[in-house]
Amino acid sequence: QSALTQPASVSGSRGQSITISCTGTSSDIGDYNYVYWFQQDPGTAPKVIIYEVSKRPSGVSYRFSGSKSGNTASLTISGLQAEDETHYYCASYTSRATPVVFGGGTKLTVL
Amino acid sequence: EVQLVDSGGGLVQPGGSLRLSCVASGFNFSKYEMNWVRQAPGKGLEWVSYISSRGNGATKYYADSVRGRFTISRDNAKNSLYLQMDSLRVEDTAVYFCARALNYWGQGTLVTVSS
Repeated sequence: QSALTQPASVSGSRGQSITISCTGTSSDIGDYNYVYWFQQDPGTAPKVIIYEVSKRPSGVSYRFSGSKSGNTASLTISGLQAEDETHYYCASYTSRATPVVFGGGTKLTVL
Repeated sequence: EVQLVDSGGGLVQPGGSLRLSCVASGFNFSKYEMNWVRQAPGKGLEWVSYISSRGNGATKYYADSVRGRFTISRDNAKNSLYLQMDSLRVEDTAVYFCARALNYWGQGTLVTVSS
């Protein structure tokens, strides 16, 4: 069982927007602005698409955006494209003895 | 350009040992905290271990699943991060990634524990 809770799957039609939630606690997401979102194709290294809750690395599409409210972080993908279909993971630093926690991952299907 | 190159994976029997390495380039390695993260076949990402930048890696943390069996270390003179893995179990089978904080990742190295 992962420390952060994500939906196992989400789906949306091309051109639509979807949001993936990532729920933690007051010891991680609620206490830190170090929330990350990763995109990962099977067999490859995770790619950072959002860092520090809402910052986008150079080269990442503006269609990806991040936010946080209380103990829940969210990743929104607007204007869904076929190439967005893959797995997404959230992560957060924590104040516990294990300083990093991940979500279980969300499989995005673009219809 | 920031680069992290993981190596050292392979096939090992249960109870055996392996030492993973991660060579960094393109940034001042000594100034950054580093992590090891793993991914078992068909599963999600799992944080394994952390080492601080301060005090030449004086602060180290481990996941409960590996504490007492794995040891993280770094050699700033060689721009290198290590993970010594002892008493390996079948459930340690995974691709292991090194990461600079969580912003930059190596390509991963596969560890297979099987008899």
